[in-house]
Amino acid sequence: AQSVTQLGSHVSVSEGALVLLRCNYSSSVPPYLFWYVQYPNQGLQLLLKYTSAATLVKGINGFEAEFKKSETSFHLTKPSAHMSDAAEYFCAVSMEYGNKLVFGAGTILRVKS
Amino acid sequence: NAGVTQTPKFQVLKTGQSMTLQCAQDMNHNSMYWYRQDPGMGLRLIYYSASEGTTDKGEVPNGYNVSRLNKREFSLRLESAAPSQTSVYFCASVQRGGTDTQYFGPGTRLTVL
Repeated sequence: AQSVTQLGSHVSVSEGALVLLRCNYSSSVPPYLFWYVQYPNQGLQLLLKYTSAATLVKGINGFEAEFKKSETSFHLTKPSAHMSDAAEYFCAVSMEYGNKLVFGAGTILRVKS
Repeated sequence: NAGVTQTPKFQVLKTGQSMTLQCAQDMNHNSMYWYRQDPGMGLRLIYYSASEGTTDKGEVPNGYNVSRLNKREFSLRLESAAPSQTSVYFCASVQRGGTDTQYFGPGTRLTVL
C-alpha cells in the first residue's frame, strides 16, 4: 500500500526566509504527487502536482517542488516566506490519475514577523 | 460555478443519532469522494464513487454509508453516530480523463457527544 510521510508536523520560519516542507512517499512505481494547502476553516486547495511531465514543478503563490525518484521525495519549497503562507500543507500520492489520493499527516507552517 | 458544496457546515449530534451529509458538484465530474480529517492524521478516504451508479469503500468505511444519487450528488450517512466520528468531513470531486485535480468542498464540522 502506498504511504506518504511528511517530516515535521510543525515548521516555523521567519518572514522572508526559505520555506522547506518535506514529503517522502513509498512506491515502487513513480506515482502522481500533489501538494495541497488548507487555510484555517477552509477546504483544500491544490498548490501543484507532479504528473511525470517535468521533475521541477511550479505551483501557485511562488511554491515549487522537485520530484526525486532516487530519494522517493517531493519536497515543497518557496524562496521567501510571506505571512499569508501560514497554513497547513498536505502532500498526497495517487497511483491513478486523479483517483484515490493518500494523504500525509500534514505540516502546519507558521511564519514569524 | 459554485464548485463543490457541502451541507451542513456544522452539526452536533448525540450518540446514536443519525444524519446525512450532503455534497454536490457542478463541474460535471465523474468521480466523487468523502474524506474525514482528524488532527495529526491528514485526510483519510471513507468512500468513493468512481462514476455514477458505483460506490466503493475507502480506508475507513466502518459506521458510514453512501449514496451516489446522480452525477452531481454524493451523500454520506451516519446511521448511529459515535463520538469517534467527531471529525471534519470533506467531499471532493475529479473529472477522470480530463483534469486530474481533486476539488474539495469547504467541509462539515461534526461533533458527536
